[in-house]
Amino acid sequence: SQQGEEDPQALSIQEGENATMNCSYKTSINNLQWYRQNSGRGLVHLILIRSNEREKHSGRLRVTLDTSKKSSSLLITASRAADTASYFCARALDTGGFKTIFGAGTRLFVKA
Amino acid sequence: DTEVTQTPKHLVMGMTNKKSLKCEQHMGHRAMYWYKQKAKKPPELMFVYSYEKLSINESVPSRFSPECPNSSLLNLHLHALQPEDSALYLCASSHPGMRRGSSYNEQFFGPGTRLTVL
Repeated sequence: SQQGEEDPQALSIQEGENATMNCSYKTSINNLQWYRQNSGRGLVHLILIRSNEREKHSGRLRVTLDTSKKSSSLLITASRAADTASYFCARALDTGGFKTIFGAGTRLFVKA
Repeated sequence: DTEVTQTPKHLVMGMTNKKSLKCEQHMGHRAMYWYKQKAKKPPELMFVYSYEKLSINESVPSRFSPECPNSSLLNLHLHALQPEDSALYLCASSHPGMRRGSSYNEQFFGPGTRLTVL
């Protein structure tokens, strides 16, 4: 399957703790993106990391990309109850065109 | 305006009905997408339009018919759907990117239409 893996499938933490989600894939990519989705709503783009980048930060978010291992991780520091959502990695395939494949997602629950 | 709007928010239809989902953006994006998302699953790409031309059809059944009347609008016409087509339908748009025919930029998503087929 092109979908790739995300782990963990679900994560429950206390407010203030850090949350780490991982994404692995099999095909070569142009970039990898992370999105957040609140229950039953549209997706919100968080960060895009290109294949020639290794790390990127945005506020409390830190994304790493290891193209040799075909994996990426999203770290949310000092989590808040409002961070409760599903998080998806999405890969733009390196074959050109517009095909973006979403991972299975991690459901994060932050307890207040 | 950095918003993608979708109407209706909810739609209930019978298997013999014909209905349409609408999506609109005014960000000047020239790539627009339809995704289908079942509960607790990731979005699955259905169609992509680039510069108002159909660029990708992910082997979607013909009971789903996309249309891109202009660069701001994207429709999805529904006819003779099945109960298993019930899902959240998401529209997205993006800049087409530096290389025409490709989109290596973030996608902006609408809130979705929750479709129930009875």
